Amino acid sequence: GQNIDQPTEMTATEGAIVQINCTYQTSGFNGLFWYQQHAGEAPTFLSYNVLDGLEEKGRFSSFLSRSKGYSYLLLKELQMKDSASYLCASRGGATNKLIFGTGTLLAVQP
Amino acid sequence: NAGVMQNPRHLVRRRGQEARLRCSPMKGHSHVYWYRQLPEEGLKFMVYLQKENIIDESGMPKERFSAEFPKEGPSILRIQQVVRGDSAAYFCASSPSTRETQETQYFGPGTRLLVL
Repeated sequence: GQNIDQPTEMTATEGAIVQINCTYQTSGFNGLFWYQQHAGEAPTFLSYNVLDGLEEKGRFSSFLSRSKGYSYLLLKELQMKDSASYLCASRGGATNKLIFGTGTLLAVQP
Repeated sequence: NAGVMQNPRHLVRRRGQEARLRCSPMKGHSHVYWYRQLPEEGLKFMVYLQKENIIDESGMPKERFSAEFPKEGPSILRIQQVVRGDSAAYFCASSPSTRETQETQYFGPGTRLLVL
C-alpha cells in the first residue's frame, strides 16, 4: 500500500528555520519528492531524494531515511514569499507513480 | 523552452455536459500524468500515459472519465456528464522518457473546472 503523512499546518517567523516532516509507506519505493504550491498555482519542484542523507539546494535542504520511511524539508532564512503549501510525494509501485500527501500549509509571519 | 501547457485554464460546465481538458507536455517529454486537487486537499493521482498507451489508470473513476495521449497532439482528459462533485483543479505533469534520469515530474498551471 501507499500512505503519506505530514502536518497540516505550521507557522514560523521571518528569518527563522523551519523543518517540515513527512513519513511514508510505499511499496517499491523509488524516491521522495518535495514540491511547493502557492494558492491557486501549480506545484513547483523543490527537491528529490532517493538515497539516505541530506540534499542541499540554497536555502532549502531535504533529508531522507529509507529505513525509517522518513523525510524532512528544511527551509532556512525564511522569507514572507515562502508562505505556501509544501507537498511531500513518494514514488513507487509497479509504475513509479507519485503519491502525494495532503500538504503542509506554512505561514511565515513578520 | 516552454513548460507544461494546459488549456483551458478555467472551464465552466453545467451538470450533464462534457468537459475536455488538454495538456501539452514539455518538449522531449513523453510521459504524462493527470492529477485532481479538490479544495483544501492534496493532489490525487488519476492516470499515467505514454504516447498512445495508458500505463496506469488506477486513480481514474470507473465511469465518465477517460484519458488519451495520441501520437500527435496533446493529452486529453475527458469527463462526460459532469456532476458538481467533479469541480476541482486538474493538473497535468510530464517527465522525460529516459529512465536513467530522476524523472522529475513538472506540472502545468492546471485547469479549474466549475460545474454549475
